[in-house]
Amino acid sequence: GAVVSQHPSWVICKSGTSVKIECRSLDFQATTMFWYRQFPKQSLMLMATSNEGSKATYEQGVEKDKFLINHASLTLSTLTVTSAHPEDSSFYICSASSDQSSYNEQFFGPGTRLTVL
Amino acid sequence: AQSVTQLGSHVSVSEGALVLLRCNYSSSVPPYLFWYVQYPNQGLQLLLKYTSAATLVKGINGFEAEFKKSETSFHLTKPSAHMSDAAEYFCAVSGALAQKLVFGQGTRLTINP
Repeated sequence: GAVVSQHPSWVICKSGTSVKIECRSLDFQATTMFWYRQFPKQSLMLMATSNEGSKATYEQGVEKDKFLINHASLTLSTLTVTSAHPEDSSFYICSASSDQSSYNEQFFGPGTRLTVL
Repeated sequence: AQSVTQLGSHVSVSEGALVLLRCNYSSSVPPYLFWYVQYPNQGLQLLLKYTSAATLVKGINGFEAEFKKSETSFHLTKPSAHMSDAAEYFCAVSGALAQKLVFGQGTRLTINP
């Protein structure tokens, strides 16, 4: 149990376009989802925390208007990178957790590699 | 506020040798501590976690870690390294199980034949 998927696993886009990344909890209801960003050979940095049905909480320095996060259901959160630029190229990883005791920890997705040309 | 420091960005050991990856933490509340492994172009896999129960925590793949409050450490060990252990390892801390994680810088483990 506790499987989290991400789609797509990789995406290449042109500068100026928008890209949407989906994060799904497949076998549990995720009341909270987290979005992380990882640059090559670096650690993960939390971008934002989203709770189902409410606005995401962004970490300091993360542009809310550029990285749009939606958590419309208990199994799906999306991250949209708007007007992407080459500096947005990175590995984006989501995680999900639940209020239910069995899933009261973060379970990570496999990541999405974004390359902006 | 919480933070994690992993000593050594790169550790290299011989196959069959002891693996020791160091992690020190700082936390204003009783910490929850985690070790994750990441293989290239993949997400994170939980190796083990400390949740204020036993201070010696056993995880998957023969790894274990010991929580030492006096030293604010949570070092990861494995008695005998295997080639498949080569990966990036991250130590992380949070104030609760489902709260946001603060990650260390990561340690790349290389296994020499």
